[in-house]
Amino acid sequence: KAGVTQTPRYLIKTRGQQVTLSCSPISGHRSVSWYQQTPGQGLQFLFEYFSETQRNKGNFPGRFSGRQFSNSRSEMNVSTLELGDSALYLCASSLAGATEAFFGQGTRLTVV
Amino acid sequence: AQTVTQSQPEMSVQEAETVTLSCTYDTSENNYYLFWYKQPPSRQMILVIRQEAYKQQNATENRFSVNFQKAAKSFSLKISDSQLGDTAMYFCAFMKNTGTASKLTFGTGTRLQVTL
Repeated sequence: KAGVTQTPRYLIKTRGQQVTLSCSPISGHRSVSWYQQTPGQGLQFLFEYFSETQRNKGNFPGRFSGRQFSNSRSEMNVSTLELGDSALYLCASSLAGATEAFFGQGTRLTVV
Repeated sequence: AQTVTQSQPEMSVQEAETVTLSCTYDTSENNYYLFWYKQPPSRQMILVIRQEAYKQQNATENRFSVNFQKAAKSFSLKISDSQLGDTAMYFCAFMKNTGTASKLTFGTGTRLQVTL
């Protein structure tokens, strides 16, 4: 059974650009969550989607957005990139009714 | 809001020895889960062990066990017979029980180095 797949693994963008990251959950998982990991702020929750609906949102500016498709794949978008957006972005998926979240290997975003 | 505190930024242990990582948390919730996740250099977060707050019995998974003290809001991880492959960042995490997986609140992590 394939795990959570995040693409791309590495990304370099320029300040002011926008970026889209993708997450394919484990087959059958309908919940997808996103986290930002930085040395300074640690792991912070961005948002969670379930059956194409945003169910929970963290304390991030509106430049951070996401969506989930009918096949449960999720994308997150960051517009008007800032240097401080450089981070490892982790996606996690889980089964409905389960408490365990399975993480992908993350996308390392560098903003220059 | 919940907070999770890991007061040991780094720890070192010799192979085959036992090490304990500390975690404290603060919450007004009564029904929740606590987790320890491991993040090796590959960056993938791997669930090590889970504890349900309403269960008094401490969770164990092979060489990994926890000491859950609900009143003290303490949740430490004990790794027995440490192996080189245990070298990683370890994160303590809190999740409110909503009946399904939801937002995880993480501590700042403890970097564990297992040496020969």
